[in-house]
Amino acid sequence: DQQVKQNSPSLSVQEGRISILNCDYTNSMFDYFLWYKKYPAEGPTFLISISSIKDKNEDGRFTVFLNKSAKHLSLHIVPSQPGDSAVYFCAASATGANNLFFGTGTRLTVIP
Amino acid sequence: DSGVTQTPKHLITATGQRVTLRCSPRSGDLSVYWYQQSLDQGLQFLIQYYNGEERAKGNILERFSAQQFPDLHSELNLSSLELGDSALYFCASSGGAGLTGELFFGEGSRLTVL
Repeated sequence: DQQVKQNSPSLSVQEGRISILNCDYTNSMFDYFLWYKKYPAEGPTFLISISSIKDKNEDGRFTVFLNKSAKHLSLHIVPSQPGDSAVYFCAASATGANNLFFGTGTRLTVIP
Repeated sequence: DSGVTQTPKHLITATGQRVTLRCSPRSGDLSVYWYQQSLDQGLQFLIQYYNGEERAKGNILERFSAQQFPDLHSELNLSSLELGDSALYFCASSGGAGLTGELFFGEGSRLTVL
């Protein structure tokens, strides 16, 4: 049972425009959410996170929005750059759990 | 460079065989996590060790086992391999016992079972 879902396997965006990656979760116990970025032949690297007490967290060009009532979060990248082309994984965890639940990833391609 | 080292990077073997994947966590990190990523799947949590002790278990098959040694490196043993075990296996580390922040991932070990 996939508790974290990324329904868009891929996304293409023009350089300079906004990229919006979406993620849905089913477990209401999740209270910490993270986005990881993965380049080919590399492991996932942490990008940004958000706690359930917030609805927005911003770090430079990256902003994560959390809608708890809809069990939905999104990652906005503005402006998108070719170097942002990678697979983005959404992940979630619950307090006290020693596990991150990952989505299946969205491959972002930023076209120069 | 995350500081997490995994070996081997690639491994090809036959069904029924046994392999061992190795992970060295970041310096100072006490927790090691193992994840499996099959084709078009998300990362599936297998098991966590903290300072040598098993801390949490996920969807790890009975044919798989892991351990963490006194020097904190960890090994994931996969036995009686089946075609479906072909996947990318990631190791990750963190400082504490609980998941309070990000995990640092290695580059993964790609296992192909023929």
